[in-house]
Formats: sequence, C-alpha cells, structure tokens
Amino acid sequence: NAGVTQTPKFQVLKTGQSMTLQCAQDMNHEYMSWYRQDPGMGLRLIHYSVGAGITDQGEVPNGYNVSRSTTEDFPLRLLSAAPSQTSVYFCASRRILGEGEQFFGPGTRLTVL
Amino acid sequence: GENVEQHPSTLSVQEGDSAVIKCTYSDSASNYFPWYKQELGKGPQLIIDIRSNVGEKKDQRIAVTLNKTAKHFSLHITETQPEDSAVYFCAAELTGGGNKLTFGTGTQLKVEL
Repeated sequence: NAGVTQTPKFQVLKTGQSMTLQCAQDMNHEYMSWYRQDPGMGLRLIHYSVGAGITDQGEVPNGYNVSRSTTEDFPLRLLSAAPSQTSVYFCASRRILGEGEQFFGPGTRLTVL
Repeated sequence: GENVEQHPSTLSVQEGDSAVIKCTYSDSASNYFPWYKQELGKGPQLIIDIRSNVGEKKDQRIAVTLNKTAKHFSLHITETQPEDSAVYFCAAELTGGGNKLTFGTGTQLKVEL
C-alpha cells in the first residue's frame, strides 16, 4: 500500500492564481480530510469528507473548495490564492470518522507571492 | 467544541535524558488521545495512543499517561536519542460521536549530543 499520497510536494503561486492540491489513498478509507499547518498553530482542519459525494467544512474553510467523487481521491482547490494561504497542507485518511488510526500524507508546501 | 493546549512549545534535552510533553483538554467526554511524531519534511505519524479506560500505556521507550479528573495527558520519552528529534502533536477526540480529532499546537523536541 502506498498509503496517503499528495502532489505536488512544493508549489509557488502568484496572488489570484488558482490550483488544485491532489490527495489519494489506497486503503479504502471512508474518511478523508485536509489540514493546514502554520507555525505555532498546529494542525487546523480545512475540509473533510465522510464518504464519496459527502463533504463538510472544518475550522478554516474560507478560500478552499473540495469534492469527493471517488473513495480514493480528495482534491483541495484554491480558487484565488492569497498570501495568507501560504502554508504546509496535509491530507489525511481514516477508516471511518471517529474510528481507527488517522494516516497523513507527506504534505504540500505552498507559497503564495 | 474541544480545545487542546500543549506545552512546552520547544524542548531541548541531552541524549539519554527523559522528555515529557503535556497536554490538557477541555471536553470531559473525550475518550481517545493519540500522539503524533512529525519528522522534518514529512507528515505526522501516530506513535502511541490511549483511551480513557486506561491510565497508562507503554511502548518501549515511550509512554503516555492520562489523568481524566484533571483532563490532562502526557507523553514520556525515556533514554532519548537523536532520532527522537521531531515535532510532537497531541490530540483528543470523542470517538464514535461524529467528532473529529482536535490537535495541540505541537512541541519541537531537540535531542542534543
């Protein structure tokens, strides 16, 4: 199993540009989520999904969109990037919400100029 | 909602010494407390967890203790080694209730030779 994979590993954007951060898992997990990690603020939940076709907002959802068309994939979209979105982004998956170990991907470091 | 506080934010120890990281949580109903280790450039990885029906759990050099009355739990690392240097996150959750993990802000542990 590859576990949770993320692409790209690094990305630099200009203010106003859009992009999609890719996330995939091969463990047949129902629950997937996106976090951002900023210095001194820990891991903050952006969006999450409890299964294909179901998504919901986390703690800091503004400026981000998600969709879940398959069990395996959970992309995160930045519609109009802002410098405040400079961060490291982690995708995570879990068998189901509230049960079992949560696995994290290797992260995407995003810089918005 | 749940709130998790973690201390200290940075910790420096000599190789062979013990390290202790402490977390407090706000929701007395929380019953699952995992600890994650994040090495430089990687995603967080579960290293140990404890449930509220257990007061202490050990796995080789690491242990976690839980005090439900005081609503705090701690990570203990004995005989620290350079490879223990990383960022450690605690988290808390009420499992099975549709709740999500709430993370602490992280502790940067440095083990000096």
